Amino acid sequence: NAGVTQTPKFQVLKTGQSMTLQCAQDMNHEYMSWYRQDPGMGLRLIHYSVGAGITDQGEVPNGYNVSRSTTEDFPLRLLSAAPSQTSVYFCASTKTGGHNEQFFGPGTRLTVL
Amino acid sequence: DAKTTQPTSMDCAEGRAANLPCNHSTISGNEYVYWYRQIHSQGPQYIIHGLKNNETNEMASLIITEDRKSSTLILPHATLRDTAVYYCIVRLPSPSGSARQLTFGSGTQLTVLP
Repeated sequence: NAGVTQTPKFQVLKTGQSMTLQCAQDMNHEYMSWYRQDPGMGLRLIHYSVGAGITDQGEVPNGYNVSRSTTEDFPLRLLSAAPSQTSVYFCASTKTGGHNEQFFGPGTRLTVL
Repeated sequence: DAKTTQPTSMDCAEGRAANLPCNHSTISGNEYVYWYRQIHSQGPQYIIHGLKNNETNEMASLIITEDRKSSTLILPHATLRDTAVYYCIVRLPSPSGSARQLTFGSGTQLTVLP
């Protein structure tokens, strides 16, 4: 299994540009989520999904959109990038129910100029 | 989820045991203690979890006090690769068909020294 994969690893955007961060998992996990991590801080939840066709907002959803058309993929879209969105973005997946150990991807480092 | 308190940083000599404490005085009866770690620039990694009994796996041991108000993660023979931020998280297990969030605090920066 490849686990959780994220692309790209690095990205530089100009203010106002849009882009999509890709996330995929091959473990047939129902639950997927996106976090952002700012320097020296913990992870904050952006959006999550408990299954295909179902998404919901996390702690810091503004400026981001998600969709979940398949179990495997959970892309994160930045509609109009702002410098405040400069961060490292992590995607995670887990089975639902119980102790649901979360598996994290390697991260995407985004810089918005 | 119960609030947790961890020291900001700790050092440990390579080959020695690393003991990372976590206070969770407001933990409720059904909440579990989970530990994750994050090696620099990588995604967090699950380590271990427990309810009230001590737990051990191939990575670490988890000691939970009898009153469950605190716990200690033990890395028995720390290596340089164990240098990471360690997060203690307290929460309920997830109901069937859903998944509870992980709330990451600031964690403890463990530095293993050669």
